[in-house]
Amino acid sequence: NAGVTQTPKFQVLKTGQSMTLQCAQDMNHEYMSWYRQDPGMGLRLIHYSVGAGITDQGEVPNGYNVSRSTTEDFPLRLLSAAPSQTSVYFCASSPKIPYEQYFGPGTRLTVT
Amino acid sequence: KQEVTQIPAALSVPEGENLVLNCSFTDSAIYNLQWFRQDPGKGLTSLLLIQSSQREQTSGRLNASLDKSSGRSTLYIAASQPGDSATYLCAVYTGANSKLTFGKGITLSVRP
Repeated sequence: NAGVTQTPKFQVLKTGQSMTLQCAQDMNHEYMSWYRQDPGMGLRLIHYSVGAGITDQGEVPNGYNVSRSTTEDFPLRLLSAAPSQTSVYFCASSPKIPYEQYFGPGTRLTVT
Repeated sequence: KQEVTQIPAALSVPEGENLVLNCSFTDSAIYNLQWFRQDPGKGLTSLLLIQSSQREQTSGRLNASLDKSSGRSTLYIAASQPGDSATYLCAVYTGANSKLTFGKGITLSVRP
């Protein structure tokens, strides 16, 4: 089991560029989510999915899109990157809510 | 709105000391509470999960307790080692909105 994998590990974007952060899990988990971690703010939920084809917004969804076409993958799209989106992004999965969550290694994103 | 507090933000102890990390939450209607460890530049690793009906969970040198009515949890680390140095975060699942709310973490340094 690879668990939860995220790519890339590091990324630098210019303001206005778009990109997709990839997240995949091989544990057949129904629930997947995206968080961002910022100094002094802790982890905040961006979007989540309770199964293929079902997504919903978390605490800080603006500027981000998600889709869940398969159980394994849950990509996060930045539509038009802004410096305020500089952060570390974590993907997590869980068999279902509210079971134990498993986190990926994170993507460190810098927007200049 | 659920709020999770971890105080102090940082702690430094000599090797071998037994220590307690505190976590408090404002809304006692939780499903469960999870303790995580985060090493610098890495993702979150789940340490212990306590269901709302449980009082404590143990894993090796770690023991987590939960007092739901008072909105408090503690993580007890026995015989601390330099390898325990990391940031410890607690998180609670609350209500029907599938949301895991995190504290900001306690950064622990164990001195040899």
